[in-house]
Amino acid sequence: AQTVTQSQPEMSVQEAETVTLSCTYDTSESDYYLFWYKQPPSRQMILVIRQEAYKQQNATENRFSVNFQKAAKSFSLKISDSQLGDAAMYFCAYRSGGSNYKLTFGKGTLLTVNP
Amino acid sequence: NAGVTQTPKFQVLKTGQSMTLQCAQDMNHNSMYWYRQDPGMGLRLIYYSASEGTTDKGEVPNGYNVSRLNKREFSLRLESAAPSQTSVYFCASSEAFTVGANVLTFGAGSRLTVL
Repeated sequence: AQTVTQSQPEMSVQEAETVTLSCTYDTSESDYYLFWYKQPPSRQMILVIRQEAYKQQNATENRFSVNFQKAAKSFSLKISDSQLGDAAMYFCAYRSGGSNYKLTFGKGTLLTVNP
Repeated sequence: NAGVTQTPKFQVLKTGQSMTLQCAQDMNHNSMYWYRQDPGMGLRLIYYSASEGTTDKGEVPNGYNVSRLNKREFSLRLESAAPSQTSVYFCASSEAFTVGANVLTFGAGSRLTVL
């Protein structure tokens, strides 16, 4: 079974600086997808970024980018120019590329942004 | 701009009572899901419906039932609530679960407390 590990329960960053959130996963599959979701205090889960395992190029969405290391099974999220609105719980998630519906989540990293 | 709507947002039950969480989406999505979120546990899948007319168990289905009423609506029922079911429940939907990266859109969550 796939597992997703987020080793940092909490992180903090100064406004305008850069922070990296870590995620590792365990799988024997070669075809899969990885996601970062954000959960602000409002509780709603919001997709931040996604990465297809077959793509070597790291995904980027504005200030958010990932460092996808397939061999190391690592998928970290970098937030540049951090803003107060980035404060939230961040979840890393894994989905098999086959017909398996299941999205497996890590336990989350709580990010605090200090003004 | 509705997306996924869950009701109620908050509920307090006594042990043994029953209740139904309602979920509706207006994005014409085929697949719908129910997750629960517990502190330090991430999100865990309770049940899902790949398409209208089908439902299947996820990781933690015991104590729950679901109904896919139509394409828009997917309800979660607790027949006899237990304190272990105290949690935050999230409904989600996606266009399909076998196509592409299957990005989930989440509702705002429902906080359930069982005394």
